[in-house]
Formats: sequence, structure tokens, C-alpha cells
Amino acid sequence: QSVLTQPPSVSGAPGQRVTISCTGSSSNIGAGYDVHWYQQLPGTAPKLLIYGNTNRPSGVPDRFSGSKSATSASLAITGLQAEDEADYYCHSYDISLSGSVIFGGGTRLTVL
Amino acid sequence: QVQLVQSGVEVKKPGASVKVSCKASGYTFTNYGITWVRQAPGQGLEWMGWIGANNGNTKYAQKFQGRVTMTTDTSTTTAYMELRRLRSDDTAVFYCARRGDNWNDFDYWGQGTQVSVSS
Repeated sequence: QSVLTQPPSVSGAPGQRVTISCTGSSSNIGAGYDVHWYQQLPGTAPKLLIYGNTNRPSGVPDRFSGSKSATSASLAITGLQAEDEADYYCHSYDISLSGSVIFGGGTRLTVL
Repeated sequence: QVQLVQSGVEVKKPGASVKVSCKASGYTFTNYGITWVRQAPGQGLEWMGWIGANNGNTKYAQKFQGRVTMTTDTSTTTAYMELRRLRSDDTAVFYCARRGDNWNDFDYWGQGTQVSVSS
């Protein structure tokens, strides 16, 4: 069971907007640790999608956005496209684990 | 451009050890740490630990303490992860990734190394 909780799956039709939540606690996100998001296309390595809660690396479309509040974070994808179908993971750190890395369990996005 | 290129598929028997390499290029190796992440079949990402490439300092996830060793060779800009006393549930893809210096994100990833453990 992951310290960061994500929905196992979300879905949406092309062009729609979907959000993926990442729920933590006062010992991780709520303690001020940043949240990062990764996209993992089928059969490939994860790729950094959002860093520092809200920032997009160069080359990531602005259809992807991140937010953080209190003890949770969210990834929003607008204008959904078929190529967005992938697994998405959030990543942060936890004080109770001596600052160790924690991942969410991952969310499978299906484009209908 | 930044690249992390990992070693190839490994097949091991239970109780054996495996050593996976991660060759870095396109950046100053000693300026960034390297992290290792495991992904079992059909499962999510699991952090194993990381190593500072400039000083060799390591931090391992509690789950792998005593069974994993991470090292670097700055002369060849290569990081290594050795996992000992392999079990069948160690069957997974192992990824190395560069740890970003400003945000502690993992900004570049290797292609992954499949390790299969079976008798």
C-alpha cells in the first residue's frame, strides 16, 4: 500500500479534461515536500511530466498542469489525446521515513 | 543531450546476486545524484535508494537495507546497483534516473533493465 494514494484508473474521451489526485498526509505533502509527476507509456521508462508541483519540463505540452494544496496534489490533462493513454505516478518525500522517496501507486489513464 | 544507458537483460537463480550498470553522458556526472527504482511486473514504481555521484554518499530504502549496494565510477561516468540474495519476487525492471539538483525530481531515466529470478 502506497503512502501516496492515487485512483487506480481514470478515463476520458478525446478533447475532455481529466484530473488525477495524489493524496498524502502531514508527514509528506503536508510537510511542505514538493510533488513531481511522471508519465509512463506502455513498455517504456517513466518520463518527468511535472516537477516542483506546477512546473513543466521543456517539451511537455501545456495541456498538462499540476497543482498542490494542503496534503494533496493533482495532475490535470486538458484536450485529452489518444497518446496520453499511460500510467501516471506522483512522487514526494516523507519525514517519517527520514526523508525517503515515496511514490503513489499509479493511475492508468484510458482514452475512450 | 542527457542519456542514461543501462546494461542488458539478466536471468538469475534464487540466492544469486545481480549488478546493473547505468552509463551517464551529456552532463557533468559528479553534479547530480543517481537513484534506482524497481518496477515488478504489472506493479508501480518502488524507490530503492540513491547515491551522490560526487561523494558516493548513499541512502537506501529500508526495505532493501543490507541487500543492496549502490556505487559509482566517476572515471567512466557509470553508476551501479548490486542486489544480493535474489528471490523470485525480485523479478522486475530496474531503472536508474538522474536526481535533479534543484527540485529533487528524477529528470532523466534509463531505459530499464529486466532482471528475472527463477530456479
